[in-house]
Amino acid sequence: DTGVSQNPRHKITKRGQNVTFRCDPISEHNRLYWYRQTLGQGPEFLTYFQNEAQLEKSRLLSDRFSAERPKGSFSTLEIQRTEQGDSAMYLCASSGSIPYEQYFGPGTRLTVT
Amino acid sequence: SQKIEQNSEALNIQEGKTATLTCNYTNYSPAYLQWYRQDPGRGPVFLLLIRENEKEKRKERLKVTFDTTLKQSLFHITASQPADSATYLCALDMSNYGGSQGNLIFGKGTKLSVKP
Repeated sequence: DTGVSQNPRHKITKRGQNVTFRCDPISEHNRLYWYRQTLGQGPEFLTYFQNEAQLEKSRLLSDRFSAERPKGSFSTLEIQRTEQGDSAMYLCASSGSIPYEQYFGPGTRLTVT
Repeated sequence: SQKIEQNSEALNIQEGKTATLTCNYTNYSPAYLQWYRQDPGRGPVFLLLIRENEKEKRKERLKVTFDTTLKQSLFHITASQPADSATYLCALDMSNYGGSQGNLIFGKGTKLSVKP
């Protein structure tokens, strides 16, 4: 499978715990995006990488959230001290030389109890 | 702030008919607009992109129009099939508003159900 992959697919955690998600983009894509989606809503942009540089962060991304893409390949999204309001689907997408067409992964569903 | 509205949360049509979904936006002029399909529990899948200087785009049974004066895009699926049942999302690019290319704002989506 040469699409975008995300792990884990599901994560249940207790409030206050830290969680980390991983995204592996399509190998030749240099752009990587993170979105968050709650039930009945469209995806909300969180952050964007071009190669290893994080070029944009949404105001939605509080200090508890951090994302990295250390070698310009896979990316991680960490949420510290999780809150119930963090429960959502976290989606990763990548794009190549045509930045407009984004290829999404299956998402990681986070449930904070 | 930018606001995107998709005309209805749900649309039910009979197989073989044309489905028409609407996306309206305010306070912004995007460089391009995209339509995605999303099935339950899965990530969105890119369908079509239309640029601000294009009026219409087609791909197989899909057609998208873009009226920058009305600030509206229409998404049509002709000869609809039950397999077309899904949620359809429109998305605006924010690069004309200081965002990076690929920074998209999505609507809430319209859930299309095609009955046999």
